[in-house]
Amino acid sequence: AQKVTQAQTEISVVEKEDVTLDCVYETRDTTYYLFWYKQPPSGELVFLIRRNSFDEQNEISGRYSWNFQKSTSSFNFTITASQVVDSAVYFCALSEVYSAGGTSYGKLTFGQGTILTVHP
Amino acid sequence: DAGVTQSPTHLIKTRGQQVTLRCSPKSGHDTVSWYQQALGQGPQFIFQYYEEEERQRGNFPDRFSGHQFPNYSSELNVNALLLGDSALYLCASSRQGWGTEAFFGQGTRLTVV
Repeated sequence: AQKVTQAQTEISVVEKEDVTLDCVYETRDTTYYLFWYKQPPSGELVFLIRRNSFDEQNEISGRYSWNFQKSTSSFNFTITASQVVDSAVYFCALSEVYSAGGTSYGKLTFGQGTILTVHP
Repeated sequence: DAGVTQSPTHLIKTRGQQVTLRCSPKSGHDTVSWYQQALGQGPQFIFQYYEEEERQRGNFPDRFSGHQFPNYSSELNVNALLLGDSALYLCASSRQGWGTEAFFGQGTRLTVV
């Protein structure tokens, strides 16, 4: 069965510090997708990034960057120069493929989440 | 373009009652998934609907059931409510297929007393 572990329950930093959120996953499939979502206090999960298992290139988007390493089953997320608005709960998620009747489906398995608090 | 909308936003029910939660997907999306998020936990997959049929189901009892309508909107029904059903219920919509980006609504906060 697939599993996602976010070992850091809470992280507290001061504004402008860099912070890395760890994510380790388990799956028996060779083909899968990994995601990061942000959940602000409003409750809505906001999509940040998607990465498929065949693409190990790191990605940078503004102050956000992601490091995907299949060898260690990790998909870590770094925020550079953190800001107060980055305060939220961050979830890592894994999607394996399920096929039926010629159609493919996916469901998300989430980690427990990491609460990030950025102090001014 | 409206995103995923859920109603109601908050709900208080008594143990043993039944509840119906509603979800309208983002325009252009045909697949709806429901997740339960207990306080301090990550969302847990309940089930997924496509073409008005349940396509996948997580580890939830039959008390949890759903429906998808021809306009792709969906309902989640929970019968015989337990105190442990208190949670944030999130609806996610996507285009059919594996690995497509899922957009989430703001959720319905259900409290069972």
